[in-house]
Amino acid sequence: QKEVEQNSGPLSVPEGAIASLNCTYSDRGSQSFFWYRQYSGKSPELIMFIYSNGDKEDGRFTAQLNKASQYVSLLIRDSQPSDSATYLCAVNMYGGTSYGKLTFGQGTILTVHP
Amino acid sequence: DGGITQSPKYLFRKEGQNVTLSCEQNLNHDAMYWYRQDPGQGLRLIYYSQIVNDFQKGDIAEGYSVSREKKESFPLTVTSAQKNPTAFYLCASSRLATRTGELFFGEGSRLTVL
Repeated sequence: QKEVEQNSGPLSVPEGAIASLNCTYSDRGSQSFFWYRQYSGKSPELIMFIYSNGDKEDGRFTAQLNKASQYVSLLIRDSQPSDSATYLCAVNMYGGTSYGKLTFGQGTILTVHP
Repeated sequence: DGGITQSPKYLFRKEGQNVTLSCEQNLNHDAMYWYRQDPGQGLRLIYYSQIVNDFQKGDIAEGYSVSREKKESFPLTVTSAQKNPTAFYLCASSRLATRTGELFFGEGSRLTVL
């Protein structure tokens, strides 16, 4: 069974703090890793993707990938109340051209309080 | 505006009835997907299609059926064989030749079995 596990939430951080979201995956051959944000009652939207070991930064967001440890994380710096949402880690475990066939984690609910 | 349109947004069904959820996209994407989301859970892949008149089962296809007669359309039928159909259903599309894994989601259809 190919699985993606996220740290259990909910996670609550004060405004301006760093929020750290973690995800592990079971398939060592996985190549592509994604973070989606989902506001309550809405559909998910892609915020970050990463393929190579190391860090990838985009504004206040940093994705970190460690394939040896089968671990991917998302850091949100200077957290804002508008960042309050469920964050879904997703992994492409199929390779080839099946890019949209993603295995999702259960999600971590993040609340940023003023 | 380009996007994905799902209908209906809310649907109530009696046990034993089949229902069909509509999904239409005007993004000219080749690939289309159906995901199911249960409360507090991530998304699980039901069916996907990479080309017209062809589709494959995802992880939880039992009790569901799809068709792909046109590139723009990928309807999902929830049959009476689906034991626990109450869920939030998300249709998505993507370009085939992309590694970003960006899925474009519709707004979802919330199905409740009475």
